[in-house]
Amino acid sequence: AQSVAQPEDQVNVAEGNPLTVKCTYSVSGNPYLFWYVQYPNRGLQFLLKYITGDNLVKGSYGFEAEFNKSQTSFHLKKPSALVSDSALYFCAVRDGPGGATNKLIFGTGTLLAVQP
Amino acid sequence: GAVVSQHPSRVICKSGTSVKIECRSLDFQATTMFWYRQFPKQSLMLMATSNEGSKATYEQGVEKDKFLINHASLTLSTLTVTSAHPEDSSFYICSASTTSGRYNEQFFGPGTRLTVL
Repeated sequence: AQSVAQPEDQVNVAEGNPLTVKCTYSVSGNPYLFWYVQYPNRGLQFLLKYITGDNLVKGSYGFEAEFNKSQTSFHLKKPSALVSDSALYFCAVRDGPGGATNKLIFGTGTLLAVQP
Repeated sequence: GAVVSQHPSRVICKSGTSVKIECRSLDFQATTMFWYRQFPKQSLMLMATSNEGSKATYEQGVEKDKFLINHASLTLSTLTVTSAHPEDSSFYICSASTTSGRYNEQFFGPGTRLTVL
């Protein structure tokens, strides 16, 4: 069965510093990986995805993620954090190759707190 | 990106009543819609997957007679919580996707906060 793990409940970082939010995955077959962000009392916003191709994926709001097959990781990164990046971040894996109509399996989420 | 709306954004109801939540894809036709439930400070739990014109597929442990899902058109899916009880209070989020090839990810609605008194 497909699964993702986010080992950190919370990540604290100072504004201007680089940030990393960790995600590891377990899949059978090719991984289809996603990052979403959720602000309080809001739905999820898509940040980026890895389907195939370059291991470094660039997404919205300056975020990027690196797909590492040997470490089965898909960590989310940003070179310089902003206070406005403070939110809940979810890593997800698509359950199957059938495209967007396959369900997503979410990690437990990581709360990112950026201090001014 | 594509836009998905939900209505209402918040609803408070009495125990025993039914509540309907709408999910609409505003600028694309959604062949598949998903309904999730999220408890405070927890991840999203998939409740069911619905394809336009067919019965929803419910995840294990989700009562289909309690959480009625209808996907009558390519732009609208509804979730009805029947005979709601306080334990049904939660944040419900829908998402929509399409096989048209233009998009290759799910787009999420803003969520509906249900409080059952």
